[in-house]
Amino acid sequence: DAMVIQNPRYQVTQFGKPVTLSCSQTLNHNVMYWYQQKSSQAPKLLFHYYDKDFNNEADTPDNFQSRRPNTSFCFLDIRSPGLGDAAMYLCATSRGQGTLDTQYFGPGTRLTVL
Amino acid sequence: QKEVEQDPGPLSVPEGAIVSLNCTYSNSAFQYFMWYRQYSRKGPELLMYTYSSGNKEDGRFTAQVDKSSKYISLFIRDSQPSDSATYLCAMYSNDYKLSFGAGTTVTVRA
Repeated sequence: DAMVIQNPRYQVTQFGKPVTLSCSQTLNHNVMYWYQQKSSQAPKLLFHYYDKDFNNEADTPDNFQSRRPNTSFCFLDIRSPGLGDAAMYLCATSRGQGTLDTQYFGPGTRLTVL
Repeated sequence: QKEVEQDPGPLSVPEGAIVSLNCTYSNSAFQYFMWYRQYSRKGPELLMYTYSSGNKEDGRFTAQVDKSSKYISLFIRDSQPSDSATYLCAMYSNDYKLSFGAGTTVTVRA
């Protein structure tokens, strides 16, 4: 029944050790987004894909990369996690980018950096 | 100054009370307004969507928008313990980017 699935739900990594977070969707939506949400803060858009077109937010650190090998899957790669990267990472999808295209969120992956 | 300001609370109310949540914003280009509900350890889910000034009702929930004051509100009537969650306001201008508030954590006590 789940529409946007994120794995793992909890991820612990060491400082500087690369980590990959996974998102998959059963909605066949064109757009997939990655947000970073720190405690008691608003979700912050990192980047998004419209189909295969990648759009990076200007203030997203180079440490964060993404891949979308097909419509259903999207990955967030953190090349060298720092302590400041500990956060909830939310994946979202939408049919299009119009203002009536609702974004559907996954349950998030909580990343801990030791 | 943040584009969207939201009081983080926390807000604690007894069951049956009216919950009042609000956000202010600074960007007059924002035209579309949403409220998301986020349960603990879950992603946000869309609760209400409105794009005009005035009130919109959906069951126990009422969303209110005042564009002249750049102020939006969400009211929850007859609140239930199951309404305990973090409520985030969000808004669009004319592009795809959602601007979120930081969220208000609400606890409804049985």
